[in-house]
Amino acid sequence: EDKVVQSPLSLVVHEGDTVTLNCSYEVTNFRSLLWYKQEKKAPTFLFMLTSSGIEKKSGRLSSILDKKELFSILNITATQTGDSAIYLCAVEAQGAQKLVFGQGTRLTINP
Amino acid sequence: GAGVSQSPSNKVTEKGKDVELRCDPISGHTALYWYRQSLGQGLEFLIYFQGNSAPDKSGLPSDRFSAERTGGSVSTLTIQRTQQEDSAVYLCASSLDRVLGFGPGTRLTVT
Repeated sequence: EDKVVQSPLSLVVHEGDTVTLNCSYEVTNFRSLLWYKQEKKAPTFLFMLTSSGIEKKSGRLSSILDKKELFSILNITATQTGDSAIYLCAVEAQGAQKLVFGQGTRLTINP
Repeated sequence: GAGVSQSPSNKVTEKGKDVELRCDPISGHTALYWYRQSLGQGLEFLIYFQGNSAPDKSGLPSDRFSAERTGGSVSTLTIQRTQQEDSAVYLCASSLDRVLGFGPGTRLTVT
């Protein structure tokens, strides 16, 4: 059964800190890994990763995938209070129609 | 353009009652998903519709749950004889190219 595990489950830091969120996975016939940000209800798309070692970057957020070790990290530099959210990691398998999500990491940025 | 919309945004119902949750996907999106998110948990896949193909119902937790998608657009998730463990946020998502766009969800509370 495909599985996604995120760590930590919860993280509290001060504004300006840098954080690293982890996502490990087990999936048959991996196709892609996705990161979403969930602030209230609707998760919003951040990144889709398909190849190892290629960093995806958007402003202060970046992510990279390691297909050998079966994990991904999401980095946020110079955190702001608006980064407070649940960050969800999901994997997609070849031929599968659904994403399998991890439990999420609840990130709180204190001013 | 308009995103995924869901109604109602909140629903409180008594145990044993039936509920219907509605999802209007993004226009032109052929794929539609229902996920469930219990408090502090990740997203749990429920059901997937793709065009005119038979839906993937593999995530429905019991036969009290059913869903339909009329005319390839609007979808309704029905929960019969609700139980307290059905309390969760029910999220709908649609996609055209594997990146899911989520709706704001319906928070269901069964008392």
